[in-house]
Amino acid sequence: QQQVKQSPQSLIVQKGGISIINCAYENTAFDYFPWYQQFPGKGPALLIAIRPDVSEKKEGRFTISFNKSAKQFSLHIMDSQPGDSATYFCAASMRSGGYNKLIFGAGTRLAVHP
Amino acid sequence: DTAVSQTPKYLVTQMGNDKSIKCEQNLGHDTMYWYKQDSKKFLKIMFSYNNKELIINETVPNRFSPKSPDKAHLNLHINSLELGDSAVYFCASSQGGQKETQYFGPGTRLLVL
Repeated sequence: QQQVKQSPQSLIVQKGGISIINCAYENTAFDYFPWYQQFPGKGPALLIAIRPDVSEKKEGRFTISFNKSAKQFSLHIMDSQPGDSATYFCAASMRSGGYNKLIFGAGTRLAVHP
Repeated sequence: DTAVSQTPKYLVTQMGNDKSIKCEQNLGHDTMYWYKQDSKKFLKIMFSYNNKELIINETVPNRFSPKSPDKAHLNLHINSLELGDSAVYFCASSQGGQKETQYFGPGTRLLVL
């Protein structure tokens, strides 16, 4: 019940295309859904996040779509660029013993070809 | 002015040895974490400390012992290293409360031979 399922495992997109990564969760106690971006040899860094009271959040070329009834959320990267090539992790946070606990999806390796 | 730093960056050691990884954050955060990232990139929380107090302890072998001397530091000591411990270990910190963004360090790449 604490799992976050992420797909696809890997994704190849042409420059200028749209990258879409999907995640699904089971536990309705999750109340915060961030996406992290990780470049090779670096630690993950927060990209964008959403709470379940909104259905969409946009920051520049990055958009999270959230479907509370389906317990699914997705990341859309518009006008994908080679510099977006990285591993993307969705995550879900819940309160555990009064503190926040982040559960990560398995990650999606995105390659944007010029 | 690195926000979350870890030492060492790389660690190569023999099976059975004991090793430590250090983490420091200068963000003034109250909560710190240790994560393990395996060869398939799967990222899993191991421990979390809030103001030097252990608050999250996942199912981790007791060969792993975290220590927080103060709220800016969280170290990880590993006894009797095994081949399966080879991974990248990330330290992270967050403000806590409603501010849930976690800031990750650069990682320590551990290879057990």
